[in-house]
Amino acid sequence: GQQLNQSPQSMFIQEGEDVSMNCTSSSIFNTWLWYKQDPGEGPVLLIALYKAGELTSNGRLTAQFGTTRKDSFLNISASIPSDVGIYFCSSGGWNNDMRFGAGTRLTVKP
Amino acid sequence: NAGVTQTPKFRILKIGQSMTLQCTQDMNHNYMYWYRQDPGMGLKLIYYSVGAGITDKGEVPNGYNVSRSTTEDFPLRLELAAPSQTSVYFCASNPGQGGITGELFFGEGSRLTVL
Repeated sequence: GQQLNQSPQSMFIQEGEDVSMNCTSSSIFNTWLWYKQDPGEGPVLLIALYKAGELTSNGRLTAQFGTTRKDSFLNISASIPSDVGIYFCSSGGWNNDMRFGAGTRLTVKP
Repeated sequence: NAGVTQTPKFRILKIGQSMTLQCTQDMNHNYMYWYRQDPGMGLKLIYYSVGAGITDKGEVPNGYNVSRSTTEDFPLRLELAAPSQTSVYFCASNPGQGGITGELFFGEGSRLTVL
């Protein structure tokens, strides 16, 4: 089946540092999406990518759709305490079954 | 704006009991999904639907059933609850226009404990 391998599993960083996480798969996808989940809530979309090679920014967040269509990364620059949470990559196949990576748990120390 | 509404938010079941988690969306979205999230883990797809009358299995469908009789509603049924089904369940929807699946809109989750 389609499995999304997300890394790292967790990160502990100092406020102001940059963060990078990525997602890979053995399958080719047409979309990559990155979500953030705060405690006790459902995931919320951060960035959506629909084209191989696409590089998209949303404030301090930047994400790229890999040229092989099998990977994607998310960067957060100049982290702040409210960046704390779990970040998920998501993608799906032709039949629209959207899958999620295992998540990257981010802790930001003031 | 209601968006995706899940009920109940919390439930405790005894082993072998049955229950239905309700999910309704008021955005006229074609696609709807059920996920489960175990503690410290990612989301696993249980079932999904690309329109009324159509449902498909996801990664972990065993022990669950769904139906999609209307565009708005996508209930998830647990027939014989087991401790392994203790989890937080999320319902989500997507417009599904043009066959492109993009952003999923999530409900607030239903926390289920099976004792």
